Order: sequence, then structure tokens, then C-alpha cells
Amino acid sequence: NAGVTQTPKFRILKIGQSMTLQCAQDMNHNYMYWYRQDPGMGLKLIYYSVGAGITDKGEVPNGYNVSRSTTEDFPLRLELAAPSQTSVYFCASRLQGSSEKLFFGSGTQLSVL
Amino acid sequence: RKEVEQDPGPFNVPEGATVAFNCTYSNSASQSFFWYRQDCRKEPKLLMSVYSSGNEDGRFTAQLNRASQYISLLIRDSKLSDSATYLCVVNKWGETGANNLFFGTGTRLTVIP
Repeated sequence: NAGVTQTPKFRILKIGQSMTLQCAQDMNHNYMYWYRQDPGMGLKLIYYSVGAGITDKGEVPNGYNVSRSTTEDFPLRLELAAPSQTSVYFCASRLQGSSEKLFFGSGTQLSVL
Repeated sequence: RKEVEQDPGPFNVPEGATVAFNCTYSNSASQSFFWYRQDCRKEPKLLMSVYSSGNEDGRFTAQLNRASQYISLLIRDSKLSDSATYLCVVNKWGETGANNLFFGTGTRLTVIP
């Protein structure tokens, strides 16, 4: 198993540009999450999904959109990038009903200039 | 009030020292508690779960006080390899019934030779 795979690892955007952060897991996990981590801060939940076709907002959803058309994939979309979205983004997944251990991707470092 | 609050540190301790981290959480209905470890520029990884009766894993001891909504992590005989940021993580049930995990800002530990 590859686990949780995130792409890209690094990206620089100009203000107003859009992009999609990709996340895929091959563990058949039903729960998937997007977190952002600002320097010196903890992780903040952006969006989550409890299964294909179901998504919901977390603590800081503004400026982002997600979709979950399959169990495996959970892309995060930034429509109009702003400097405040400069952060490290982590995708994670877990299996409901088992231990609540989160499996994380390796992160995407995004800078909006 | 934040869901999870931690002393950010940093804690700088000599090898072999004992160090303790504390964490408080705001939601009295929370049922699951964890400590995650995060190395610089890496994704968080589960260190240990925290059980009501307290639990130990080698040099690490975790304790929970539900009445005070307080969690602790004790590290004995600190090693250089323990240098990392330690994240306190607590669950909270969302409005849709989903069980999500919320992260503290982390406590930075540096073990000095």
C-alpha cells in the first residue's frame, strides 16, 4: 500500500490563481480530511468527508472547495488564491470503527505571492 | 475558546532529563485523546493514545483527567531523537455526526547533548 499520497509537494501561486491539491489513499478508508498548518501553529481542519459523495466544512473552509467522487480521492480546490492561504496542507485518512489513528500524506507547501 | 490548548514551549532539556507536557480541551463530551509527534517539515505521526486509566509505552506515559479536561505526556530519560513537536489531539463530534480530530498548536521539545 502506498498509504496517503499528496501532490504536488511544493507550489507557488500568484494572487488570484487557482489550483487543485490532489490526495489519494489506497487503504479503503472512508474518512478523509484536509488540514492546513501555519508556521508555529497546530493543524486546522478545512474540510472533511465521511465517504464518497459526502463532504462537510471544518474550522476554516472559506476560500476552499472539495469533492469526493470516489472513496480513494479527495481533492482540495483553491479558486482565487490569497496570501492568507500560504501554508502547509496535509491530507489525512482513517477508517471509521477502527482505532482513530490518522494516516497523513507528506504535505504540500503552498506559497501565494 | 480553542478546542485544544497547549503550552507552546519551547522546552530545552538535557539528555536523560524528564519532561512533562500539558494540554487542556474544551469539549466535555470528547472521548478520544492522543499525542502525535511532528518532526520539522514532516507530517504528524501517532505517538500514543491516551486512556482514562493512564497508559505507558516505554519511556512515555500519558494521563487523562476528565474532571479537569486535562491531558499530560511525560517523557523519561530524554534522548536526542525525542526532539520534535508534540501535538495534543482530541476528538469532537460534528453537527453531521462525524467524529473529527482537533489538534493543539504543539509543544516544541529540544533535547540537548
